Amino acid sequence: GAVVSQHPSRVICKSGTSVKIECRSLDFQATTMFWYRQFPKKSLMLMATSNEGSKATYEQGVEKDKFLINHASLTLSTLTVTSAHPEDSSFYICSAIRDFSYEQYFGPGTRLTVT
Amino acid sequence: GENVEQHPSTLSVQEGDSAVIKCTYSDSASNYFPWYKQELGKGPQLIIDIRSNVGEKKDQRIAVTLNKTAKHFSLHITETQPEDSAVYFCAASFGGTGNQFYFGTGTSLTVIP
Repeated sequence: GAVVSQHPSRVICKSGTSVKIECRSLDFQATTMFWYRQFPKKSLMLMATSNEGSKATYEQGVEKDKFLINHASLTLSTLTVTSAHPEDSSFYICSAIRDFSYEQYFGPGTRLTVT
Repeated sequence: GENVEQHPSTLSVQEGDSAVIKCTYSDSASNYFPWYKQELGKGPQLIIDIRSNVGEKKDQRIAVTLNKTAKHFSLHITETQPEDSAVYFCAASFGGTGNQFYFGTGTSLTVIP
């Protein structure tokens, strides 16, 4: 099967600090990965599209300087929340599309709490 | 852009009964329609998908139907079990590497033992 991992699964940080979340496709290559944010009992909100070797494409309203995305290899993308504030507390989920495929596979999510 | 609507938002069924969730989409260029199951505190899991060249696909108790003319697709779960309780999301995509998925708003399914 296609497995996507995320690390950490939960993180608590203080306001003003930065947090990095890793997303890995464990058994397939993924030129494209996505980062989503999900509020309680809501659908997935696309934040950005991450393409290996190029700059991420951010959705309207998402601050690229606050949510830094790096996709340095075909199996790893990272999301760094810089200068985190309590309103950044949320469930962040990444996904990856297997190359030459239509299927998008999701990671287990990261629960970020900013105090 | 694409707009996906999903109904109902909540659904309760007795164990053993069937559950049906419906989605509509707006862009006729969409050609790939996956369904995801999300359990509390976890990421969505792909459970079944269908491409626009197929009208129906079945995998054990789960089936998906697609009506391209009407631009709607449905998820059917038969012989529901308590472990089917979760939030289900439909999505539409233009298909192919790198193309964005447009998600429905989700259906919270509760199967009552």
